[in-house]
Amino acid sequence: GENVEQHPSTLSVQEGDSAVIKCTYSDSASNYFPWYKQELGKGPQLIIDIRSNVGEKKDQRIAVTLNKTAKHFSLHITETQPEDSAVYFCAASKNSGYALNFGKGTSLLVTP
Amino acid sequence: GAVVSQHPSWVICKSGTSVKIECRSLDFQATTMFWYRQFPKQSLMLMATSNEGSKATYEQGVEKDKFLINHASLTLSTLTVTSAHPEDSSFYICSLIPHNNEQFFGPGTRLTVL
Repeated sequence: GENVEQHPSTLSVQEGDSAVIKCTYSDSASNYFPWYKQELGKGPQLIIDIRSNVGEKKDQRIAVTLNKTAKHFSLHITETQPEDSAVYFCAASKNSGYALNFGKGTSLLVTP
Repeated sequence: GAVVSQHPSWVICKSGTSVKIECRSLDFQATTMFWYRQFPKQSLMLMATSNEGSKATYEQGVEKDKFLINHASLTLSTLTVTSAHPEDSSFYICSLIPHNNEQFFGPGTRLTVL
């Protein structure tokens, strides 16, 4: 089955700096890669996703890159703000209707 | 996106009792819903896939007789933790996929078994 590795497990940055979280996956059949933000005591919220036919996607301060050959994808957050502090999960799945395989999460702390 | 609700948001029960958790899709008819479990400071682990009108599909290691899933309508799936024990204490989260692989999660239910 699919194995998703995520690094780092914790990340601390100063407000205004950039944060990068990296994930690798094992199943070359995976073609959908979402990123979720989870605040304490809440369900995960989809923040951005990318499909295997695209190499990069950007939405304001958030961007995701995908390298299919190397089987890794990354989340980039620029101009970080304290409210970006949360746990971020990457995930991978195959075709429509499949459940997600999650990475172990990255706890991001943005200090003022 | 889809709006997903869960009820209750938290529950405390005694060991040996059963607890029912509801997952509702408020704006989309979902033939498939997923149930995940998340232990503190850990990732989400898929428990089962809930299919409307048919039996749920359970992941390896998840006891189907302990975690009963009923997906009786296109907007409601329920997870019942039977004979709950302290080790069942966890954060239970449901999700659904309205379209294009995008999966939306409910707010979760915190279960504490004393």
